Amino acid sequence: DGGITQSPKYLFRKEGQNVTLSCEQNLNHDAMYWYRQDPGQGLRLIYYSQIVNDFQKGDIAEGYSVSREKKESFPLTVTSAQKNPTAFYLCASSQGRATFNEQFFGPGTRLTVL
Amino acid sequence: KQEVTQIPAALSVPEGENLVLNCSFTDSAIYNLQWFRQDPGKGLTSLLLIQSSQREQTSGRLNASLDKSSGRSTLYIAASQPGDSATYLCAVSSGDYKLSFGAGTTVTVRA
Repeated sequence: DGGITQSPKYLFRKEGQNVTLSCEQNLNHDAMYWYRQDPGQGLRLIYYSQIVNDFQKGDIAEGYSVSREKKESFPLTVTSAQKNPTAFYLCASSQGRATFNEQFFGPGTRLTVL
Repeated sequence: KQEVTQIPAALSVPEGENLVLNCSFTDSAIYNLQWFRQDPGKGLTSLLLIQSSQREQTSGRLNASLDKSSGRSTLYIAASQPGDSATYLCAVSSGDYKLSFGAGTTVTVRA
């Protein structure tokens, strides 16, 4: 059953902590993405990766970091430098460039800062 | 910078009525436009993808049109059902890997 999985579903962070959100896909897609969703706003791109060992900053990369060591995996770390991390985080993937290809999304991780 | 707007932000209709959801974008140089459905607390489900060379796409009760020159897309949902209640998002691809999203229209279908 192909798809995108994200874990955990809910995550709580204390001030000053780094936390890592997991994203795994078994669709054999080359490109993967991380978005942040805040109430009443559209999704905003944090980072994206076109191929293994390569990734680029999106519109709101400050306070976040990523790695792409395997094609299937694209974890996102929310660092203590991110001042307002409480949000819903969505991972997506596409076969190739989003220019032409459909993006598929995971179920999301809701991060709350305590 | 591409700006995507969805109006209205919320819509309530009785069951059986046809739904018309609007999406507008400021830069007509797009490659494709995608419509998504999002249930509360869930991820996005892709509904339809329209390439820039296409005028419309259909899937079951859903039909999406694209007028690139005027920067508009419309999603039609025929004979709405309570199960259609959700937030509908549109997103446009203007190049590279980036999608620009609207804030969505939250639909409630009353039984």
